Amino acid sequence: KAGVTQTPRYLIKTRGQQVTLSCSPISGHRSVSWYQQTPGQGLQFLFEYFSETQRNKGNFPGRFSGRQFSNSRSEMNVSTLELGDSALYLCASSLGQFNEKLFFGSGTQLSVL
Amino acid sequence: AQKITQTQPGMFVQEKEAVTLDCTYDTSDPSYGLFWYKQPSSGEMIFLIYQGSYDQQNATEGRYSLNFQKARKSANLVISASQLGDSAMYFCAIEGGTSYGKLTFGQGTILTVHP
Repeated sequence: KAGVTQTPRYLIKTRGQQVTLSCSPISGHRSVSWYQQTPGQGLQFLFEYFSETQRNKGNFPGRFSGRQFSNSRSEMNVSTLELGDSALYLCASSLGQFNEKLFFGSGTQLSVL
Repeated sequence: AQKITQTQPGMFVQEKEAVTLDCTYDTSDPSYGLFWYKQPSSGEMIFLIYQGSYDQQNATEGRYSLNFQKARKSANLVISASQLGDSAMYFCAIEGGTSYGKLTFGQGTILTVHP
């Protein structure tokens, strides 16, 4: 069974640009969560989607958005990139029940210059 | 709101010995789950063990066990018989209430296993 796949693995952008990250969950999983990991702030929750609906959202500005498609694949978009957006973005999938372990991908390392 | 505190930035252990990684938590939710994840240098988060707030027994998964003390709000991870491959960053996390998919992580502990 394939794991969670995130693309691209690495990305370099400049300030002001926008970026889209992709996440393919484990087959059968309907929930996808996104996390930002930085050395300073650690791991922070961005949002969670289940069956194309956002069920939960973290404390990030509106520049961070996401969506989920009918096949459960998810995309995350960051508009008007800032230097502070440089981070490892991790995607996780699950069946979508409460207190269920999440399966993480290897992440997308975003560098904003 | 939930909070996780991991007070050990780094830990060292000799191969084949046991090690305990500390985790304390704070939550106002009566029902919650506690998780431990391992993050090797590759970046992927690997699930290790889970403890539910109403579970009577401490969770165990192979060489991993969770020392759950609810009154003290602590959920320490015990790794027995450490291996060189255990060298990684370890995160404690909590999910509370109806926060589907929303884990609150601690700052992590870097574990180094010496041969």
